[in-house]
Amino acid sequence: GAGVSQSPRYKVTKRGQDVALRCDPISGHVSLYWYRQALGQGPEFLTYFNYEAQQDKSGLPNDRFSAERPEGSISTLTIQRTEQRDSAMYRCASSLASNSYEQYFGPGTRLTVT
Amino acid sequence: DQQVKQNSPSLSVQEGRISILNCDYTNSMFDYFLWYKKYPAEGPTFLISISSIKDKNEDGRFTVFLNKSAKHLSLHIVPSQPGDSAVYFCAAKDSGTYKYIFGTGTRLKVLA
Repeated sequence: GAGVSQSPRYKVTKRGQDVALRCDPISGHVSLYWYRQALGQGPEFLTYFNYEAQQDKSGLPNDRFSAERPEGSISTLTIQRTEQRDSAMYRCASSLASNSYEQYFGPGTRLTVT
Repeated sequence: DQQVKQNSPSLSVQEGRISILNCDYTNSMFDYFLWYKKYPAEGPTFLISISSIKDKNEDGRFTVFLNKSAKHLSLHIVPSQPGDSAVYFCAAKDSGTYKYIFGTGTRLKVLA
């Protein structure tokens, strides 16, 4: 079966542009997480969805970051007016249910803001 | 302020010997702990987990130990194999939330 997929895998954008990062979770997985990972660091929690409901967005750094999962499947993380400090690996993970601790991670999107 | 700390950035172990990876945490409200393994150019892969109400969980060559009084978690791999060479992250779940806090990772190299 297919794992978690993310697109694009690499994104280079100019400062000030908006970017949208897509996550396609494992089919049937209820829970979806977004993380940001800087080089040499562990994943940093950004936001959590249970079906289409965004139940925790406490990790989003500021209001330039938003996420949605309108039909409870595919999710999009949007960064508006990108800044160089937004450059990082953005990872998506899904799990079967809200009480499933095992998360399946996607390969990530490497975002570079120039 | 790192709530989950992996103080050893790297570890080298001879094949067949035991690998011990350590993790310390500061938040006593964490209720679940996990270990993930990550190969280059891939996302982290779940390895093993433990609830805060237990002190040991074993799965094949992998055993996780939890010492709540010391706020310390360790992963034992016995025997170590070259294919175990990867970066290992410990993670903790904040009680009452769905938020997971990850450590900075330890790079394990198993020498053949």
